[in-house]
Parts: sequence; C-alpha cells; structure tokens
Amino acid sequence: KAGVTQTPRYLIKTRGQQVTLSCSPISGHRSVSWYQQTPGQGLQFLFEYFSETQRNKGNFPGRFSGRQFSNSRSEMNVSTLELGDSALYLCASGRENPQETQYFGPGTRLLVL
Amino acid sequence: AQTVTQSQPEMSVQEAETVTLSCTYDTSESNYYLFWYKQPPSRQMILVIRQEAYKQQNATENRFSVNFQKAAKSFSLKISDSQLGDTAMYFCAWRSGGSYIPTFGRGTSLIVHP
Repeated sequence: KAGVTQTPRYLIKTRGQQVTLSCSPISGHRSVSWYQQTPGQGLQFLFEYFSETQRNKGNFPGRFSGRQFSNSRSEMNVSTLELGDSALYLCASGRENPQETQYFGPGTRLLVL
Repeated sequence: AQTVTQSQPEMSVQEAETVTLSCTYDTSESNYYLFWYKQPPSRQMILVIRQEAYKQQNATENRFSVNFQKAAKSFSLKISDSQLGDTAMYFCAWRSGGSYIPTFGRGTSLIVHP
C-alpha cells in the first residue's frame, strides 16, 4: 500500500506570492491533517479535513487555507507569503476514527525569499 | 491547554547501548493517546510507538518500549540495543481520545555513535 505523498517536495517563492501544496493520503484514509514545522515553533497544527469538510482548525491566519477533494486528496494554500512562512509542511492521513493512527508524508520544504 | 514537554533537547548514545528519552505532559482529560514519533534526517515522520491512556500495560515495539506513568503524567521512551539508524529527532505527542489534533513536544535529537 502506498504511503502518504506530498508534492512538490521543495519550493522556493518570494514574498507576496501564493503557493499551493498537495497531499495524497493513504488509500482508504479520509482524514488529512496539515502541520507546519519550524525550528522556532516546532510542529504546529494547521487544519484537518474529513470528507471534504474542515473538521478542525489551528491558530493560523486566514492566509492559510485548504480544501479536500472527493478522492480525499487535499491541497493547502498560502497567500501573500511572508518570510516567516518558510517551513516544512507536513500532511498526515488517517481513517475515519480519530482513535486510529495518523501516517505522515515526507513533507514539502517551502523557502520564502 | 495541553502541553507536552521534552526536557532533553539533545542526547547521544553508543551503538548497542540503551537510551531513555523523557516526556511529560499536562492534561485534565482521562481518555487520551500518547505517541512517540521519529523523524530521521530524511524528514519522513514515522510512528514509533503508541500508548492508550486506559491501558496499564506499557507498549512495546521490538527494541522500543515506553514507561507510562499516568499519575505522574510521564511517558518515556526506551531504546534498547541502539542502532545507527536510530539517529533522528524524536517527538512525543499527546492527543485527546476524540480528536485528531495532537500536541507535540519540541523534540529530542538523538545521535547514535558507532
């Protein structure tokens, strides 16, 4: 069974631009969560989608948004990029039951110049 | 708010030896899960071990085992017979029983020396 995949793996953008990251969950998983990882703040939860609906949201500004498609693939969008958005963005997928384990993707490394 | 504390930013161990990574958490909930994740230099976060709070028995996965002290809110990870491939960042995480949203500790960087 294929694991969680994320594209692209690396991305360089400039301030003010926007970016879209993609995450394909493990087959059969309907929950997709996004996390931002930085040396200063550690791992922070962005949002979680289940069956195309945002089920949970972390404490991030509205510039960070996401969506989930009917095939459970998810995209995360960041508009008006700031230098502080440089980070590793991880997504994780899980089954319907929150008691199940989440499985992480390899991440997308975003550098904002 | 729930917090997870990993008090050891860095640790090192010789190959084949045993090392214990510490984690404490703060919660008022009774139904929760605890996890240890490993993030090697390649950056893929991998689940090492998971513990349900309602289970008294400590979880074990091959060379990895935990010491779960519920009253003390402590959840340490013991790695036996350390291998070079164990070199990684280790994150402790807490999650409420009804939620997919984990709270992560800041991580412990473990280096295994040959």
